[in-house]
Amino acid sequence: NAGVTQTPKFRILKIGQSMTLQCAQDMNHNYMYWYRQDPGMGLKLIYYSVGAGITDKGEVPNGYNVSRSTTEDFPLRLELAAPSQTSVYFCASSYTTVYEQYFGPGTRLTVT
Amino acid sequence: QKEVEQNSGPLSVPEGAIASLNCTYSDRVSQSFFWYRQYSGKSPELIMSIYSNGDKEDGRFTAQLNKASQYVSLLIRDSQPSDSATYLCAPWMDSSYKLIFGSGTRLLVRP
Repeated sequence: NAGVTQTPKFRILKIGQSMTLQCAQDMNHNYMYWYRQDPGMGLKLIYYSVGAGITDKGEVPNGYNVSRSTTEDFPLRLELAAPSQTSVYFCASSYTTVYEQYFGPGTRLTVT
Repeated sequence: QKEVEQNSGPLSVPEGAIASLNCTYSDRVSQSFFWYRQYSGKSPELIMSIYSNGDKEDGRFTAQLNKASQYVSLLIRDSQPSDSATYLCAPWMDSSYKLIFGSGTRLLVRP
């Protein structure tokens, strides 16, 4: 099992550009999550999904969009990148809501 | 009041000592609690989960939960330099139906 995979590992964007962060899991988990982590801070939930076709907003959804067309994939779309979106982005998945979440290796994004 | 509070540290202990990491949370009805370890530049990894009041031991790690006091702690016995990392407390918040992460306590184990 590869677990949770994320691409790319690093990316530099110019202000106003768009990009998609990819996330995939092979554990057949229904629940998937996107977090961002700013330096010295905890993880903030951006969006989550409870199954294919079902997504919902987390604490900090502004400036992001998600889709979930399959159980395995949960891409995060950034439209009109801003410097405030400079962060490390983690994707995670879990069997159910109250069980442990497994994290991908993260994407380090810089917007200049 | 923050939903999850942890002392940011760093907590510095000598090798072989017990490291004690503390966390308080605001949701009175939280039922599930997780401790994650995060090495610098890496993703969080789960090290302990606890669901009932009392102690839960796993190797050198012991999680302690007191729901009445809304307090959860992690003890690391015989601390090793490889335990140097940031430890994130994450209670499942029944009120918002989400896992909320604390900002973490940085632990430094001195050889």
